[in-house]
Amino acid sequence: KQEVTQIPAALSVPEGENLVLNCSFTDSAIYNLQWFRQDPGKGLTSLLLIQSSQREQTSGRLNASLDKSSGRSTLYIAASQPGDSATYLCAVRPKYSGGGADGLTFGKGTHLIIQP
Amino acid sequence: NAGVTQTPKFRILKIGQSMTLQCTQDMNHNYMYWYRQDPGMGLKLIYYSVGAGITDKGEVPNGYNVSRSTTEDFPLRLELAAPSQTSVYFCASRPLRDRGLSSYEQYFGPGTRLTVT
Repeated sequence: KQEVTQIPAALSVPEGENLVLNCSFTDSAIYNLQWFRQDPGKGLTSLLLIQSSQREQTSGRLNASLDKSSGRSTLYIAASQPGDSATYLCAVRPKYSGGGADGLTFGKGTHLIIQP
Repeated sequence: NAGVTQTPKFRILKIGQSMTLQCTQDMNHNYMYWYRQDPGMGLKLIYYSVGAGITDKGEVPNGYNVSRSTTEDFPLRLELAAPSQTSVYFCASRPLRDRGLSSYEQYFGPGTRLTVT
């Protein structure tokens, strides 16, 4: 069964710092990996999606990498801002899932606070 | 486009009551999903649908039912509410196939916060 782990569970850094959020998954048989942002009491906003054949994706100050063979992804946030404060979720779309052939498997998230 | 919409935003149920959580998408997506998120946890798949008339169980389907009579709507039914169903429920959708790099990206609604007491 696919499991997704995110480290750290929480992170607090001063504004302006570059930071890295980590995601690992136990089964490398995935179609893609998606990073989401979740604000308190709100839904999920998709940040980046990396196909299994890709190594990285970039959007503005965000860069996500994928090493499928080692089961790891990182989300790099450059020049962090207080508005980046949120919970960041990592999810994979497994190729083989006993619980549902097409859903995403999520990590528990990293709660990020950027101090002004 | 409104995207994925969910109603209600909040609901408090008594044990044993029933209710339907509504989900509608206006993007003509084939695939729709229901997830639940318990405090401090990731989302878990309840049910999904690959098109009108076709549904299948996810990881945690017990206590729930779904139907998909149209492409746009995918309601989730709780028949006998239990405290263990206290959670935030998210509906999501995706197209059958996208051009370019956004293939298989799921789009999420704002969620329904349900408390069963």
